[in-house]
Amino acid sequence: QSALTQPASVSGSPGQSITISCPGTSSDVGSFNLVSWYQQHPGKAPKLMISEVSKRPSGVSNRFSGSKSGNTASLTISGLQAEDEADYYCCSYAGSSTWVFGGGTKLTVL
Amino acid sequence: QVQLVQSGSELREPGASVKVSCKASEYTFINHAMGWVRQAPGQGLEWMGWINTNTGNPRYAQGFTGRFVFSLDTSVSTAFLQINTLKSEDTAIYYCARKRNDGAFDIWGQGTMVTVSS
Repeated sequence: QSALTQPASVSGSPGQSITISCPGTSSDVGSFNLVSWYQQHPGKAPKLMISEVSKRPSGVSNRFSGSKSGNTASLTISGLQAEDEADYYCCSYAGSSTWVFGGGTKLTVL
Repeated sequence: QVQLVQSGSELREPGASVKVSCKASEYTFINHAMGWVRQAPGQGLEWMGWINTNTGNPRYAQGFTGRFVFSLDTSVSTAFLQINTLKSEDTAIYYCARKRNDGAFDIWGQGTMVTVSS
């Protein structure tokens, strides 16, 4: 199972919105509404930000939202803040009780 | 609070074995599967597989069959990852993470650094 292909990096200024794409295939992202997103700050464990494509866990800011169109899932962060600077990973169910992560995207807040 | 606490950093020589523990607290251990994720230095997250904490049945990702073993001790709410015949490319941080039915990993351990070097 190959890693989902995320952009290596994205950037935005404080207050702006950015979107991170997670292109998959018809065997993973396209077939299941089981995409989750994780935020990881340097030296820290990942944190769940979005589950089931667009569900936000309790405690996660409503500036974070998820969506899916066809074989591509997306994470949008609105009203960028300095604390959002981190690595972001998507993860999708790929059938047969297996899961696959994206390669990760480094978000820089300018 | 609900948490996963992993064992400390390990240094091993090539060919040796290592066993990482992941102790769960403040939730019913057998109600949630446990996943394992690897992160090599400077690299992304890699899904290794998961273990059904109710049945003990493991599921390994491609590339993690043979040398990698998931196990449990439900009496102490602890999951284990054993890596046999260590290679230098096994050097990484290994995370355990509680897996929900929707596949999301909602609680993560702090990670265990395993270094393989002679």
